[in-house]
Amino acid sequence: QSALTQPASVSGSPGQSITISCTGTSSDVGSYNLVSWYQQHPGKAPKVIIYEVSKRPSGVSNRFSGSKSGNTASLTISGLQAEDEAHYYCCSYVPTNTLLFGGGTELTVL
Amino acid sequence: QLQLQESGPGLVKASETLALTCTVSGGSISSSSYYWGCIRQPPGKGLEWIGTIYYTGTTYYNPSLKSRVTISVDTSKNQFSLNLNSVTAADTAVYYCARQVGRGAWYFDVWGRGTLVTVSS
Repeated sequence: QSALTQPASVSGSPGQSITISCTGTSSDVGSYNLVSWYQQHPGKAPKVIIYEVSKRPSGVSNRFSGSKSGNTASLTISGLQAEDEAHYYCCSYVPTNTLLFGGGTELTVL
Repeated sequence: QLQLQESGPGLVKASETLALTCTVSGGSISSSSYYWGCIRQPPGKGLEWIGTIYYTGTTYYNPSLKSRVTISVDTSKNQFSLNLNSVTAADTAVYYCARQVGRGAWYFDVWGRGTLVTVSS
């Protein structure tokens, strides 16, 4: 089971929007709306920011949004802020009853 | 407010068994709405799901680790435990416990702070 494919790094300036992709296969990302996204600041535990492709937990800024097309899920952060600088990981359900994380993307706010 | 706390030895010798306990406070591990998971992160690398357990004892494991992993639950102590045997340096990582939202959702909404386990030769 190889990790879902994410870009190693992305960057953007404050106020801009960025998108992080997460590519799987027709057996995982493409077949289930069970993709979640996690934000992880250095030395901290991950925090869920998107679940079931596009749902936001209570308390998560609406600047974070998720979507999916075919075998690729995407996380978009709009109105980029310095505090968004972190690592981001996608995660998908994989049959049967397993989970697979992406390799992670480092977001730099310029 | 639900909290999870990982505990266990920070140093394990190669070929031995890594044993961690996750203690749940502020809520019941026997809730029918949640599962309980273990995730790890090698230094400077990404997240890897290890496995998940339900309070009834039903378990799901990462196929790549399944032959070496056992996750168990003790509802009387509100704890679940991870055993990983025959460890090598590649098992050096921060190990997290997390609450997994119930059947059909498959995501982690509450995480412990994590504990670093180093495998020494």
